[in-house]
Amino acid sequence: DIVMTQSPDSLAVSLGERATINCKSSQSVLYSSSNKNYLAWYQQKPGQPPKLLIYWASTRESGVPDRFSGSGSGTDFTLTITSLQAEDVAVYYCQQYYSTPPTFGQGTEVEIK
Amino acid sequence: QVQLQESGPGLVKPSQTLSLICSVSGGSLSSGTYHWSWIRQHPGKGLEWIGYIYYSGSTHYNPSLTSRVTMLVDTSRNQFSLHLRSLTAADTAVYYCARHSSSSAFNIWGQGTMVTVSS
Repeated sequence: DIVMTQSPDSLAVSLGERATINCKSSQSVLYSSSNKNYLAWYQQKPGQPPKLLIYWASTRESGVPDRFSGSGSGTDFTLTITSLQAEDVAVYYCQQYYSTPPTFGQGTEVEIK
Repeated sequence: QVQLQESGPGLVKPSQTLSLICSVSGGSLSSGTYHWSWIRQHPGKGLEWIGYIYYSGSTHYNPSLTSRVTMLVDTSRNQFSLHLRSLTAADTAVYYCARHSSSSAFNIWGQGTMVTVSS
């Protein structure tokens, strides 16, 4: 299985400031023939299911605010929230779908400083 | 707008079999475009993919659970189900159903159902 490791486990950011979450995969999730990274980011608020934010490492899901952006390739990825809003308090997960079983990172909790 | 809804018992005894149903509304499970997965989340912890089923009935399970898992599809009712045998307390979790395309992210999730394994 591909192991996904996120850092940090938690972070506190002031409203309006930038939040950066890192995700590292134990092997590359870049499919060379398509040049696509099989990497997604989800947001989970308490009592709710995960919500897809980003797929193919950098493509924003429809309706997701543009303050959320994804970057990276191969084994190292980043989710950035520019100008953190109160409603962004949540746990964020990365997930690879390059190989079966799909696997998730352990989650990063984002809170307001 | 496709929606998924899980249903099943909230409490199951150890060694028994858990059976959950995911009902699909707003779209057809038989469209052929999507795979239908079960994912669980242990209390306060991360997410674990259990397996998926296609409308044809073909399945793919997580190797860590394959010996205890069966998934079935009922296209006439637009539902699919999860059956997990030989339960232990370690199977206590929130169980989600989710939709995804082949080799793609999970773009639609059910609200989840909490299952507790306890005598």
